[in-house]
Amino acid sequence: LAKTTQPISMDSYEGQEVNITCSHNNIATNDYITWYQQFPSQGPRFIIQGYKTKVTNEVASLFIPADRKSSTLSLPRVSLSDTAVYYCLVGDDSGAGSYQLTFGKGTKLSVIP
Amino acid sequence: DTAVSQTPKYLVTQMGNDKSIKCEQNLGHDTMYWYKQDSKKFLKIMFSYNNKELIINETVPNRFSPKSPDKAHLNLHINSLELGDSAVYFCASSQDPDGAYEQYFGPGTRLTVT
Repeated sequence: LAKTTQPISMDSYEGQEVNITCSHNNIATNDYITWYQQFPSQGPRFIIQGYKTKVTNEVASLFIPADRKSSTLSLPRVSLSDTAVYYCLVGDDSGAGSYQLTFGKGTKLSVIP
Repeated sequence: DTAVSQTPKYLVTQMGNDKSIKCEQNLGHDTMYWYKQDSKKFLKIMFSYNNKELIINETVPNRFSPKSPDKAHLNLHINSLELGDSAVYFCASSQDPDGAYEQYFGPGTRLTVT
């Protein structure tokens, strides 16, 4: 079962780039890495997903090194509205019809004016 | 249109009672999930259903039982509620269970057991 580790909290000023790293040392060959954002009193919301190298969409980039034992979510030029908890999620296909999904414990990002 | 909805939003009940939380998705997804988020904000998967069959069953007490009357619904029944069951429960759905597709989460049900 892939276990994930991420920093508990981070602070950043508005306009800066924020990088949040998630470690998943035991990720299986066919695991995807997904990041979610959660605001208070809301359900998590999908941000970005990747399998290897780099993925970019309109809100974030995801960097995955060749060994895939970690991944870094990059938020460019954060604003106050990016203050939230960010979770990484690793899926694990055991190949026996049993799937294990493991969320990291979340990184609370506080954006400071 | 709400993609994933849950009812009720808040549920306050006493220890020992039996309660249910309902979830519906209108996305046509094949897989639905139940998650528990505790006071420390840790998200743990409890169950998932794919095409009406249970495919993940984490080590949750058997007082918790998922029921899926059809592909669009996955309800959570909890018997003999305990104080430790107090948490926010999220329903989610995705196109496929293998982690390759994003999950859409409902707004959550805050359960308080007194």
